[in-house]
Amino acid sequence: AQSVTQPDIHITVSEGASLELRCNYSYGATPYLFWYVQSPGQGLQLLLKYFSGDTLVQGIKGFEAEFKRSQSSFNLRKPSVHWSDAAEYFCAVVLTGTASKLTFGTGTRLQVTL
Amino acid sequence: NAGVMQNPRHLVRRRGQEARLRCSPMKGHSHVYWYRQLPEEGLKFMVYLQKENIIDESGMPKERFSAEFPKEGPSILRIQQVVRGDSAAYFCASSPRGRLSGANVLTFGAGSRLTVL
Repeated sequence: AQSVTQPDIHITVSEGASLELRCNYSYGATPYLFWYVQSPGQGLQLLLKYFSGDTLVQGIKGFEAEFKRSQSSFNLRKPSVHWSDAAEYFCAVVLTGTASKLTFGTGTRLQVTL
Repeated sequence: NAGVMQNPRHLVRRRGQEARLRCSPMKGHSHVYWYRQLPEEGLKFMVYLQKENIIDESGMPKERFSAEFPKEGPSILRIQQVVRGDSAAYFCASSPRGRLSGANVLTFGAGSRLTVL
């Protein structure tokens, strides 16, 4: 079955350290891929998206993600984390035949220590 | 240009009551989507609507849940005879067109948090 997996439920990093959040998908074709961030009690904000073209995608707030077809992954990265990045991060895909429907992973909660 | 507006932000209901959640899409957006986020889980698709039409309701529970998006006014998600398991955050999103693409993405509202006592 088609699915999106975020293997890490909870990650803690020190402020200033680098960050990588993992996302894997099980999908027959090249999907549309997204990363969203949800701050506590807030809605979702789009960080970046991949539809086609350059596999390294730049987003807002200094985030980037790389689509690797061979690994079925779309990992989110940031070179230097700020305390304000503490939030929950969701990977999402648009699946085959559902070009208007997002399917979300279960999320990774990021904690930043000072 | 206000974003996607949802109200109420917080709603408390007793078991058996009805809950109505409203969503006003961004200006110029005619496509509305409802998602539910249960505690400690990701968002799950519920329903996709255009003005006066339900396009995809494959994620809606078969009973007690309904959604509409009338010609005038906000989209409404209605939950009848609520149970404790309905406690969740309900998010609305909108887009200008139906088929997602690089230029057509979903914009989410801040959500409505339903608590059933």
